[in-house]
Amino acid sequence: DGGITQSPKYLFRKEGQNVTLSCEQNLNHDAMYWYRQDPGQGLRLIYYSQIVNDFQKGDIAEGYSVSREKKESFPLTVTSAQKNPTAFYLCASSIDRGNYGYTFGSGTRLTVV
Amino acid sequence: KQEVTQIPAALSVPEGENLVLNCSFTDSAIYNLQWFRQDPGKGLTSLLLIQSSQREQTSGRLNASLDKSSGRSTLYIAASQPGDSATYLCAVPPEGNTGKLIFGQGTTLQVKP
Repeated sequence: DGGITQSPKYLFRKEGQNVTLSCEQNLNHDAMYWYRQDPGQGLRLIYYSQIVNDFQKGDIAEGYSVSREKKESFPLTVTSAQKNPTAFYLCASSIDRGNYGYTFGSGTRLTVV
Repeated sequence: KQEVTQIPAALSVPEGENLVLNCSFTDSAIYNLQWFRQDPGKGLTSLLLIQSSQREQTSGRLNASLDKSSGRSTLYIAASQPGDSATYLCAVPPEGNTGKLIFGQGTTLQVKP
């Protein structure tokens, strides 16, 4: 079955560490997205990529970085510059710019310890 | 700037009731509107996608309607079941359709046996 795989499901980060969240899709979708979800704040866009080797900042990109070297993969790195990284991170994809809807992964819960 | 509002924020109903969830948006120039379901600690599951040219979409016990002129969409759930308990989110792409999604804050539904 086609879908989006996010790993790990749970991730713990120590202060000052960089961590990378994985997102892989086998839907042959062109566009991929990273959202952050916090209680009471809804979903906020971090980064998005509409084609390979290209990506744009979303609304809350500070402290995060991404790469899009392959169509299937869009990893998100949470850097030490992100002061409040504890959140639920969701990866999504769409065929183009969302004209045919979006598919989401199962999420990664990141906790700072 | 597009804003999406969902009312009510929470809803509790007895099993078997028919219910309506509301979603309103401020800019009627949308390409589509998508309804999602989110279970606690899980990712988003797409329920229905309504294109701007459509008035409604149906899937099983779910029916979503779209009225662009009034900036409203409703999600109708027939014969509710305890398994329907979840948070329901509506989302629209903003003007320019860059691929980003604008989400409502969600309606958390509890269906009591």
